[in-house]
Amino acid sequence: QQQVKQSPQSLIVQKGGISIINCAYENTAFDYFPWYQQFPGKGPALLIAIRPDVSEKKEGRFTISFNKSAKQFSLHIMDSQPGDSATYFCAASGHSNYQLIWGAGTKLIIKP
Amino acid sequence: DAGVIQSPRHEVTEMGQEVTLRCKPISGHNSLFWYRQTMMRGLELLIYFNNNVPIDDSGMPEDRFSAKMPNASFSTLKIQPSEPRDSAVYFCASSSQQGYGYTFGSGTRLTVV
Repeated sequence: QQQVKQSPQSLIVQKGGISIINCAYENTAFDYFPWYQQFPGKGPALLIAIRPDVSEKKEGRFTISFNKSAKQFSLHIMDSQPGDSATYFCAASGHSNYQLIWGAGTKLIIKP
Repeated sequence: DAGVIQSPRHEVTEMGQEVTLRCKPISGHNSLFWYRQTMMRGLELLIYFNNNVPIDDSGMPEDRFSAKMPNASFSTLKIQPSEPRDSAVYFCASSSQQGYGYTFGSGTRLTVV
């Protein structure tokens, strides 16, 4: 029940296309859903996050869509660029719970 | 703000040797986390400190691993004795709110031969 399942494991998208990464969770106590971006040789960096009181959050080309009833959330990258090539992790945590539960990661490659 | 600072960036050591990894969290952050990342197991939380006090060390794999946070600006992760299976990238992260908005360091790549 503590797991966060992320898919796909890897993704190749043409430049200018839309990249979509999906995550699903079981624990209904989760109330914070961040996405992290990790480049080779660097630590994960917070990209965007959402709470379950909204269904969508947009920051530039990055959008989180959240479906509370289905217990799913996804990251959409519009107009994908080669510089977006990285590994993306979804995560979740519950109120007053310090521990982020991490997805397994998606390696995204944007082809020029 | 220099971010979370980890040292060394790379460490190669022989099996059986002691290894000490260091972390300086962001000033004002009161939560500190040590993570290990491998291809096989992904990101694993090793230990969590809040206000310099270890709150949860259930992720520390064995007694060979120990962590300290003597003050708000410094933490160490020690492995003694080291083994080849400890080879991984070790990350330190800090946060000003429990569970929210972690900032990670650039990591220490440890290779035990």
